[in-house]
Amino acid sequence: DGGITQSPKYLFRKEGQNVTLSCEQNLNHDAMYWYRQDPGQGLRLIYYSQIVNDFQKGDIAEGYSVSREKKESFPLTVTSAQKNPTAFYLCATRQGSYEQYFGPGTRLTVT
Amino acid sequence: KNQVEQSPQSLIILEGKNCTLQCNYTVSPFSNLRWYKQDTGRGPVSLTIMTFSENTKSNGRYTATLDADTKQSSLHITASQLSDSASYICVVSARDGGATNKLIFGTGTLLAVQP
Repeated sequence: DGGITQSPKYLFRKEGQNVTLSCEQNLNHDAMYWYRQDPGQGLRLIYYSQIVNDFQKGDIAEGYSVSREKKESFPLTVTSAQKNPTAFYLCATRQGSYEQYFGPGTRLTVT
Repeated sequence: KNQVEQSPQSLIILEGKNCTLQCNYTVSPFSNLRWYKQDTGRGPVSLTIMTFSENTKSNGRYTATLDADTKQSSLHITASQLSDSASYICVVSARDGGATNKLIFGTGTLLAVQP
């Protein structure tokens, strides 16, 4: 897990509510990423940010939003527009072309 | 279409035995290939990274191979331990012309080591 913190580890929400997942890093890495992991599927990229105050949509950005106001923080908001929000969410960081480091993940359950 | 396929989907072995996990990819242009270990409910942790020119790389009891011609990689685990029980994910990096390569993730092989 290194210097990446995701909180909380488990999160429960009612359908129709927005929820924000936290990702903080002390690795001083420029790039940060959000992935979603579902059973039987590979990780899918939601959003990524290569520098502060800039972010790009990944493959499955619909129903999600992010911000990157500080280098060490990249929060992900799961909105009510996301049809199937229940999943395991992973935050990752990377410096340059080196490998990605992953956080411990947050398991979100929406009922 | 860039794809990474892993086999088998799941595997059960006895403690102390060896096993080999497979990864086939159709990613172009290829940059590198990584194997990650993911314990249940945790984030993936890198085991090895291999570039186009590397055929074999070891990390303790883990040995990865890469055949860039056939676009296949394998991860061999020697003398398995109970702590090896995890999902093993193959990730191939494709050069996309930008500053950050695109990563294509396999669905993983779930390994269970039994005493």
